[in-house]
Amino acid sequence: DQQVKQNSPSLSVQEGRISILNCDYTNSMFDYFLWYKKYPAEGPTFLISISSIKDKNEDGRFTVFLNKSAKHLSLHIVPSQPGDSAVYFCAASGATNKLIFGTGTLLAVQP
Amino acid sequence: SAVISQKPSRDICQRGTSLTIQCQVDSQVTMMFWYRQQPGQSLTLIATANQGSEATYESGFVIDKFPISRPNLTFSTLTVSNMSPEDSSIYLCSVSSSGNSDTQYFGPGTRLTVL
Repeated sequence: DQQVKQNSPSLSVQEGRISILNCDYTNSMFDYFLWYKKYPAEGPTFLISISSIKDKNEDGRFTVFLNKSAKHLSLHIVPSQPGDSAVYFCAASGATNKLIFGTGTLLAVQP
Repeated sequence: SAVISQKPSRDICQRGTSLTIQCQVDSQVTMMFWYRQQPGQSLTLIATANQGSEATYESGFVIDKFPISRPNLTFSTLTVSNMSPEDSSIYLCSVSSSGNSDTQYFGPGTRLTVL
């Protein structure tokens, strides 16, 4: 049972345009959501998070939106840069500290 | 955020042997975790490493196969025992500094190949 899903395994975007990565979850007890970026041969790097009491959090070029009723969150990257090319994982946690990860989306930003 | 290192960064091992992976943090942290990322898959939590007591394992993972130590607040080890090719994965440690639903920061990972 995949509690956190990223339905798009890959996404290709032109440099300077917006990248939108999507994530769906099934467990209504999740109250904290995170996005990580992962380059090959490296560990995941924390990007941005959002608590369930908010619907938007912004940090520079990165914005995360949370729609609790739809159990959906998205990461917007504006403007996209070639260095953003990586695998992006969303993750969720609830009452414990355990993170449940999605399957990842490979973002390719074309120059 | 804390600086996390792992040793070894990669290894190639023979079937039936064991490998111990070390995770070192440059500051004291509350929580330490071990994850596995099998080829082409997402990250899966193996266990929570508890300081001074036995680790808490997730469903499908057992202490005999993945013994974990955490002697203090900055160091933990994960051993992959009696390895088979199915254990070929990236093993990652992560840390967080507060007790509830906080952000986890990851080490660089250990890439294990079992022949």
